[in-house]
Amino acid sequence: DGGITQSPKYLFRKEGQNVTLSCEQNLNHDAMYWYRQDPGQGLRLIYYSQIVNDFQKGDIAEGYSVSREKKESFPLTVTSAQKNPTAFYLCASSIGVGNEQYFGPGTRLTVT
Amino acid sequence: KNQVEQSPQSLIILEGKNCTLQCNYTVSPFSNLRWYKQDTGRGPVSLTIMTFSENTKSNGRYTATLDADTKQSSLHITASQLSDSASYICVVSAREYGNKLVFGAGTILRVKS
Repeated sequence: DGGITQSPKYLFRKEGQNVTLSCEQNLNHDAMYWYRQDPGQGLRLIYYSQIVNDFQKGDIAEGYSVSREKKESFPLTVTSAQKNPTAFYLCASSIGVGNEQYFGPGTRLTVT
Repeated sequence: KNQVEQSPQSLIILEGKNCTLQCNYTVSPFSNLRWYKQDTGRGPVSLTIMTFSENTKSNGRYTATLDADTKQSSLHITASQLSDSASYICVVSAREYGNKLVFGAGTILRVKS
């Protein structure tokens, strides 16, 4: 998992509530990413950030929001607008976009 | 559409045996192809990375091959160990889209004693 931490490991929420997943890295990487992993599917990109105070939508950004106020941190908020939020969420970072990505340990979110 | 297809979906082998996992992709042009190992409930960890000009790359008991003409890659695991039980994910970097990563769904390998 390198120098990337995600917390918590497990998260439970009621439907209709927003929830924020934490991702911190001490690798001095400029780029950070959020992916969603569902059984039987490849990882799908939610949002990514190339540099502080900048972020771009990925393939499945609807119902999610992010911020990048510090180089080390890239929190993901799962809003009530996300229709099917239960999934395994992975954060990654790289020196720059296109370079090798290093993944955190993931957060499993369950919404009931 | 850029796709990465892996086979088989799952595989069970006895400890000590060899196995080969397959990856077919349509991503073109691509910058590199990677194989990741993902233990259950953990993040993926890189095993190998190959550019389009490389045919083979080894990392201990893991050997990846690449045929850019047929757009196929394989991951061969030699003398399997119980700790090899994991999901193995093939990932292709799409050069046309700023090296965006396209992930396969993975092959779940279980090594039995």
